[in-house]
Amino acid sequence: EAGVTQSPTHLIKTRGQQVTLRCSPISGHTSVYWYQQALGLGLQFLLWYDEGEERNRGNFPPRFSGRQFPNYSSELNVNALELEDSALYLCASNGQAYNEQFFGPGTRLTVL
Amino acid sequence: KNEVEQSPQNLTAQEGEFITINCSYSVGISALHWLQQHPGGGIVSLFMLSSGKKKHGRLIATINIQEKHSSLHITASHPRDSAVYICAANYGGATNKLIFGTGTLLAVQP
Repeated sequence: EAGVTQSPTHLIKTRGQQVTLRCSPISGHTSVYWYQQALGLGLQFLLWYDEGEERNRGNFPPRFSGRQFPNYSSELNVNALELEDSALYLCASNGQAYNEQFFGPGTRLTVL
Repeated sequence: KNEVEQSPQNLTAQEGEFITINCSYSVGISALHWLQQHPGGGIVSLFMLSSGKKKHGRLIATINIQEKHSSLHITASHPRDSAVYICAANYGGATNKLIFGTGTLLAVQP
């Protein structure tokens, strides 16, 4: 069974640009979670999507947004990139709320 | 104040030693996760538990609901166990988000 996949693996952008990260959950999983791990900081919850709807978001500005598609894959969009957005962005999925979350390999974003 | 506290932040052990990493959380949770992150960033879920004890190979996780405390134990540690170990609490409810500890960097020396 394929795990959670994310693309791209690495990305370099400049300040002010926009970026889209993608995540495909494990087959059968309907919930997708996005997390940010900035250098020197711990993992921070970004967004939770379930059944195509945003269920909860962390303490991040509105330029962080996303969506979930009918096939349960998800995109994370970050507009007007800032240097401090440089981080590892992790996606996780599970089949039911509060169940174990399975993590993808992450996308490492560098903003110059 | 982080709602999840982990200790120690750094841990160096000799191969074969028994290792314990501790995690405390502030209020009632629906589940406690232990995660392993290797250099390069990939995260693996080790355990999810809401009560008692779970064991997988040389890894054991325990949780004490009354004391709001969980421990991750590694028996007969090996250099390949070197990684960052992170505990995360799911406080349930409508939020269903994980609150992460700051992680424990473990280095097991041969």
